[in-house]
Amino acid sequence: QSVLTQPPSVSAAPGQKVTISCSGSSSNIGNNYVSWYQQLPGTAPKLLIYDNNNRRSGIPDRFSGSKSGTTATLAITGLQTGDEADYYCGTWDSSLSAGVFGGGTKLTVL
Amino acid sequence: EVQLVQSGAEVKKPGESLRISCKGSGYSFTSQWIGWVRQMPGKGLEWMGMIYTSDSDTRYSPSFQGQVIISADKSITTAYLQWSSLKASDTAMYYCARSSVGGRWFDPWGQGTLVTVSS
Repeated sequence: QSVLTQPPSVSAAPGQKVTISCSGSSSNIGNNYVSWYQQLPGTAPKLLIYDNNNRRSGIPDRFSGSKSGTTATLAITGLQTGDEADYYCGTWDSSLSAGVFGGGTKLTVL
Repeated sequence: EVQLVQSGAEVKKPGESLRISCKGSGYSFTSQWIGWVRQMPGKGLEWMGMIYTSDSDTRYSPSFQGQVIISADKSITTAYLQWSSLKASDTAMYYCARSSVGGRWFDPWGQGTLVTVSS
């Protein structure tokens, strides 16, 4: 059971928008920065968003991050088939004194 | 280009020891943290721990404390993850990644090292 809760799967049609939530608590998301990662099938994860809402260099502006209270959200607009991947949120947990990841969300572009 | 290159796949028997490596290049290795992440077959990412390569200050997830040892040799810009006695449940892909202070993000990631433990 992951400390951070993500929906197991989301889906949308090409060109549409999808959001992926990441829910935590005051010991993690509520008081620490959140990052988001994309893992394409058979590859290593790749950083998309850091410090809640900053896009890594080279990441299209179709990807955006936000945080409110103890929930962070990744939004992807203009969906493409190449966006099909697993997406993970991550942050620091001050109670555990360790990093934590969400369980991951599988995005299907129909 | 900032790059982390990990050692190759390993096949081991239960009870054997193992050390896998992660070599950094293209940045100041000694002023950064390196983290390790486990991904069991078909499962999600698990944060294992991280090391500050300058002074080997190390932090472990409670889930992995006492199960693995993270170390680094800054003279050869390499971090390590080691086990003294492997179990079948250690079968997984292991990734290293450069980390920010406080573990705020991981970037870039190594290509991964697949460890298979089977009798």
